[in-house]
Amino acid sequence: DVKVTQSSRYLVKRTGEKVFLECVQDMDHENMFWYRQDPGLGLRLIYFSYDVKMKEKGDIPEGYSVSREKKERFSLILESASTNQTSMYLCASLAGGSTDTQYFGPGTRLTVL
Amino acid sequence: QQQVKQSPQSLIVQKGGISIINCAYENTAFDYFPWYQQFPGKGPALLIAIRPDVSEKKEGRFTISFNKSAKQFSLHIMDSQPGDSATYFCAPSYQKVTFGTGTKLQVIP
Repeated sequence: DVKVTQSSRYLVKRTGEKVFLECVQDMDHENMFWYRQDPGLGLRLIYFSYDVKMKEKGDIPEGYSVSREKKERFSLILESASTNQTSMYLCASLAGGSTDTQYFGPGTRLTVL
Repeated sequence: QQQVKQSPQSLIVQKGGISIINCAYENTAFDYFPWYQQFPGKGPALLIAIRPDVSEKKEGRFTISFNKSAKQFSLHIMDSQPGDSATYFCAPSYQKVTFGTGTKLQVIP
């Protein structure tokens, strides 16, 4: 059974803190994604990676960075957290092209105070 | 994100009724049209998908209807059940996935 896990389900941080969100997939997928989900806005793509050490900006990359040192692990970094980054963060992986199924993790609800 | 418009934003249906969610898109290059289902506390999961060479696909109580000329596709849930209460996203794609804004469905007994 395919599995995408995220390091935390809930996280509370203070403004200005550096935040790491980690995602691990066990399906040997090449592609991994980070989205944020906000009410009324759906899922918005922050960054994606199509290979180890490769990354591409999504639609809303400002304030975020990513790291992919191993195929199975994709990290989202908030260099200096701000209150407008309070959101649900979802990680996903995908084997091939865009017509394959994306598999999502359970999400991390981040609150920045 | 404006290139995909999903409606309605929320929907309340009685048990046994039909739920209909619509998705309109602008990008004619889209070649894959899935719907994802998300339960509270979970990530989205693929529910059903269609390719543009067919106009309808049915899997159990779930049907996708696709209208290429109108650039629209819809999800129909027949005999809706309380267990169908979830948020539904359309996510058309061509090289990249574009998610709709989501529809929160509540099926009441």
